[in-house]
Amino acid sequence: QQQVKQSPQSLIVQKGGIPIINCAYENTAFDYFPWYQQFPGKGPALLIAIRPDVSEKKEGRFTISFNKSAKQFSLHIMDSQPGDSATYFCAASRASGTYKYIFGTGTRLKVLA
Amino acid sequence: DAMVIQNPRYQVTQFGKPVTLSCSQTLNHNVMYWYQQKSSQAPKLLFHYYDKDFNNEADTPDNFQSRRPNTSFCFLDIRSPGLGDAAMYLCATSRDVGTNEKLFFGSGTQLSVL
Repeated sequence: QQQVKQSPQSLIVQKGGIPIINCAYENTAFDYFPWYQQFPGKGPALLIAIRPDVSEKKEGRFTISFNKSAKQFSLHIMDSQPGDSATYFCAASRASGTYKYIFGTGTRLKVLA
Repeated sequence: DAMVIQNPRYQVTQFGKPVTLSCSQTLNHNVMYWYQQKSSQAPKLLFHYYDKDFNNEADTPDNFQSRRPNTSFCFLDIRSPGLGDAAMYLCATSRDVGTNEKLFFGSGTQLSVL
């Protein structure tokens, strides 16, 4: 129940395409869902995050879609660029009890020029 | 202007030989974390410090220890590294504990065990 399942494991798109990365969770106590971006040789960095009281959040070319009833959320990258090539991790945490982040297994994205 | 600094970037040790990884932060954050990340896997929390209070994860092996001598520094000690301990070790900080606290990660130390 503590898991966050992420798919696909890897993804290749052409420049300008819209890669979509999906995550699913089971624990309804989770109330904060961040996405972290990790470039090779670097630590993960917060990209964008959402709370379950909204169904969508946009920051620049990055959009999170959230479906509370399905317990799923996804990251969309509009007009993807080669510089977006990285590993993306979804995560979940909750306010009560143990607050720690549960990370998904990551998606390795490659955007072709 | 690196905020969470990990040294060294790469560390090679021998099977069973103690090794220490270091992390420092310039953010003055209360919380410091150690994560283990194996290839193609999610980062796994080993333990964290809230100020001087140490919080160990239930499934963290006794082989892993940590020290936080002051606000800025935190160390990960692996007493007897095994081959299965080869991984990227990530240090992270947050201002406080609780949901929606942003994690700031260092670039990690890639540990190899020969």
